[in-house]
Amino acid sequence: DAKTTQPNSMESNEEEPVHLPCNHSTISGTDYIHWYRQLPSQGPEYVIHGLTSNVNNRMASLAIAEDRKSSTLILHRATLRDAAVYYCILFVAYNNNDMRFGAGTRLTVKP
Amino acid sequence: DTAVSQTPKYLVTQMGNDKSIKCEQNLGHDTMYWYKQDSKKFLKIMFSYNNKELIINETVPNRFSPKSPDKAHLNLHINSLELGDSAVYFCASSQNTGAGNTIYFGEGSWLTVV
Repeated sequence: DAKTTQPNSMESNEEEPVHLPCNHSTISGTDYIHWYRQLPSQGPEYVIHGLTSNVNNRMASLAIAEDRKSSTLILHRATLRDAAVYYCILFVAYNNNDMRFGAGTRLTVKP
Repeated sequence: DTAVSQTPKYLVTQMGNDKSIKCEQNLGHDTMYWYKQDSKKFLKIMFSYNNKELIINETVPNRFSPKSPDKAHLNLHINSLELGDSAVYFCASSQNTGAGNTIYFGEGSWLTVV
């Protein structure tokens, strides 16, 4: 019961922007939206998170829909090193940090 | 200077054996976790500790027993290993249980039971 829906896979060309969508229609008011990524043979790595407003950091941007039922992770210029599985996760605070991963989106970056 | 370190990275062992995976974090965090990633690549939470107290205990066999001697360590002991226990086990930590926290993961421990 990951509570989020993502496409299984996406492809991008190097140095082009990538928009990774995520649906979370059952989100509640206190749930944070987190994005992690997992490179091959490594542990998951934090990318970005937000609650209501759009967020930017050095890795990516997070655009959150006004009704919060969907969000989009934006990589502004994809590099080969961005090839990974990207997980969109709802962080349910009252459940003691029970962060449940779904299947994620496998991003392939073509040179 | 790894933030969350786990040992061993690779472990091959026979069915029926007992093994432990150790985890240490040097971030000063209060909360630590164990996740399991199976062959289908799904990441599932197993346990979570906050200030050495167990707060999440998913439905895992009793053969799995976490031990937290202090806030910086959360070790995973597995008794009577079975073939189905083969997986990658990730240790992780966060500042506390707040939903805005970042979770930092270790590099993983690849367990193969033969």
